Amino acid sequence: DTAVSQTPKYLVTQMGNDKSIKCEQNLGHDTMYWYKQDSKKFLKIMFSYNNKELIINETVPNRFSPKSPDKAHLNLHINSLELGDSAVYFCASSPIRGVNTEAFFGQGTRLTVV
Amino acid sequence: AQKVTQAQTEISVVEKEDVTLDCVYETRDTTYYLFWYKQPPSGELVFLIRRNSFDEQNEISGRYSWNFQKSTSSFNFTITASQVVDSAVYFCALQRDDYKLSFGAGTTVTVRA
Repeated sequence: DTAVSQTPKYLVTQMGNDKSIKCEQNLGHDTMYWYKQDSKKFLKIMFSYNNKELIINETVPNRFSPKSPDKAHLNLHINSLELGDSAVYFCASSPIRGVNTEAFFGQGTRLTVV
Repeated sequence: AQKVTQAQTEISVVEKEDVTLDCVYETRDTTYYLFWYKQPPSGELVFLIRRNSFDEQNEISGRYSWNFQKSTSSFNFTITASQVVDSAVYFCALQRDDYKLSFGAGTTVTVRA
C-alpha cells in the first residue's frame, strides 16, 4: 500500500492552462504539505495544512491554490500555468502537529509547461 | 531565519570508498530537528534519519553513520564502503516546531563501479 500517493506522476501542459495535482495519504496523519523542487534540485515548501486548516503559506503566486477536502487529501490547483512553473511537486504528510517525526513524501509529480 | 548549507555540490567516488557529506545549519531556536533524505535517480524522497537538538549521540545504521555536533552546528553523514546503489542526491534538512522543513541544496553522490 502506498503511504502518500500523488497523481499524476507526469503532467505536460501548455502555458495558460489550469491543472490540478492530487495527493492522498493513508497514514492517518494530520499534517500535509506541498513542496516544489526546481531544476537545480532545490526543495522549498509551498503550503502546509493541519487537519484541513492552512498553517503555512509561503510566498507563492496566487495562481497556486491548495485545497484540503479532508485530512487525508491535499490537492494543488494551478491556474494560468507559466513556463517557470515547470518543476517536480512533492506532497508529504506527517503525524499530529507537535510530535517530532519525519515527513513522508509522495513520489512526486513532474510538471512540464510548454 | 534558518538555513542549511551543504557546501559539496557533487562527490564522485569509486565503489568501496567512504564518502562524507557535510551539513551545516543555522537557527536561533533551541529546539529543532535535523534530517537526512536520499533522492535516488528514480526521484522519490527517502527518509534516512531524524535527530532532535537535544540528542547529540552519533548513530550508525549499517553502512550509514551520522555525526551531530551542536557546537559547530553540523550534522554530517558518512557512507562507508560505498556501493553503486548509493548514487543519489542527499539532502540535509532542518525543521522547527512549525513543521516547515528547510532543505539544503543537496549533494549529488556518484559511486563508480
